[in-house]
Amino acid sequence: EVLLVQSGAKMREPGESLRISCEGSGYNFVSYWIGWVRQMPGKGLEFMGIIYPDDSDTRYSPSFQGHVTISADKSISTAYLQWSSLKPSDTAIYYCARLSTSGTLLDAFNIWGQGTMVTVSS
Amino acid sequence: DIQMTQSPSTLSASVGDRVTITCRASQSINFWLAWYQQKPGKAPKLLIYKASSLESGVPSRFSGSGSGTQFTLTITSLQPDDCATYYCQQYNSYPYIFGQGTKLEIK
Repeated sequence: EVLLVQSGAKMREPGESLRISCEGSGYNFVSYWIGWVRQMPGKGLEFMGIIYPDDSDTRYSPSFQGHVTISADKSISTAYLQWSSLKPSDTAIYYCARLSTSGTLLDAFNIWGQGTMVTVSS
Repeated sequence: DIQMTQSPSTLSASVGDRVTITCRASQSINFWLAWYQQKPGKAPKLLIYKASSLESGVPSRFSGSGSGTQFTLTITSLQPDDCATYYCQQYNSYPYIFGQGTKLEIK
């Protein structure tokens, strides 16, 4: 079974750093683009960026460029989303999701992680 | 960036009804459009890709159509389990923007 399993809920204070993870299993991890999607409380889905684990080619949405870092460690089939200095406005559920077809960006997300709730509050 | 506009924002319909949700792109995206269903507390689920292709395992009462800038998601014979929020997403050009969502309620 193809799965993306994300790390558990996190609580941090403003200014702290954080890295959340997304582990893929049941498929050739390096060959499929993995994206990150934000959902703020009660709001819609926002595309943040996407990475190709084989060569770490990464594309960011302009809205998130410079605010987060997307990375991947293909040796352990895991993608990451990290912040160096969190803000209360980063409070949201973050989903990782895999594109449907290997090697192409022209595709939809057919496999989703369960989501990681990040709460930033003092 | 390409903007995606869904309508309506909320929709109330009865079991057995035919429901249509529209998604409009600010410029042509050919047929590179997906539809997702999201239920409260759950991750989104892919329903339709490439505007009209039904994802494996999705009930045949869901269908998609359109190309260019105008797209529709149709649910024939609405079921109670279809109560959810529906999102379109373009993947013709980067970044892959989602529509703002349509909340579907069952009367």
